[in-house]
Amino acid sequence: EAGVAQSPRYKIIEKRQSVAFWCNPISGHATLYWYQQILGQGPKLLIQFQNNGVVDDSQLPKDRFSAERLKGVDSTLKIQPAKLEDSAVYLCASSLGGTVKNIQYFGAGTRLSVL
Amino acid sequence: GENVEQHPSTLSVQEGDSAVIKCTYSDSASNYFPWYKQELGKRPQLIIDIRSNVGEKKDQRIAVTLNKTAKHFSLHITETQPEDSAVYFCAASYNFGNEKLTFGTGTRLTIIP
Repeated sequence: EAGVAQSPRYKIIEKRQSVAFWCNPISGHATLYWYQQILGQGPKLLIQFQNNGVVDDSQLPKDRFSAERLKGVDSTLKIQPAKLEDSAVYLCASSLGGTVKNIQYFGAGTRLSVL
Repeated sequence: GENVEQHPSTLSVQEGDSAVIKCTYSDSASNYFPWYKQELGKRPQLIIDIRSNVGEKKDQRIAVTLNKTAKHFSLHITETQPEDSAVYFCAASYNFGNEKLTFGTGTRLTIIP
């Protein structure tokens, strides 16, 4: 079974620039998550989609971050404009959703460095 | 919201010995507790999980115990091997994982040959 695909793997930008990350979940997975993992910390949820609808975006800094999941499959996460504190690994995860035990599978992440 | 604390932050054990990592959670509504292993530069991978209706679960050298009353759960690795060296994260979720995972801060486990 193919895993969660993310691109790019690495990105270096200057502050105030824009950046976008892409995620392709495991085929058939209805739920998609974006997590931010700052160095030395555990991942923190930014946004959760169920198909193409948003379930939880309470921790998404909406003044600069946006995400979409058109057609309920692939998703993009955008930061505009970036700040130094946005330097982190952005992890995408997916799961079947709606099951008695919902395992989340993670992608390899995009490492963002904001200079 | 849920808060998960994890200890210790670093742990070194001799190869062949056992390792124990402990986590506490704050919200009694949490009912699903996975453990993820993350090797340097790689994705977090699920190694074992437990639901709130079970007190203990074992998979070969790995076991997890859950104390709902005290709101803590632990990861036990026996007969440790060099390939067990990694960062381990505990997490908690409502609705059996159908909602977000709240992660602990991680434990860097080093196995000394």
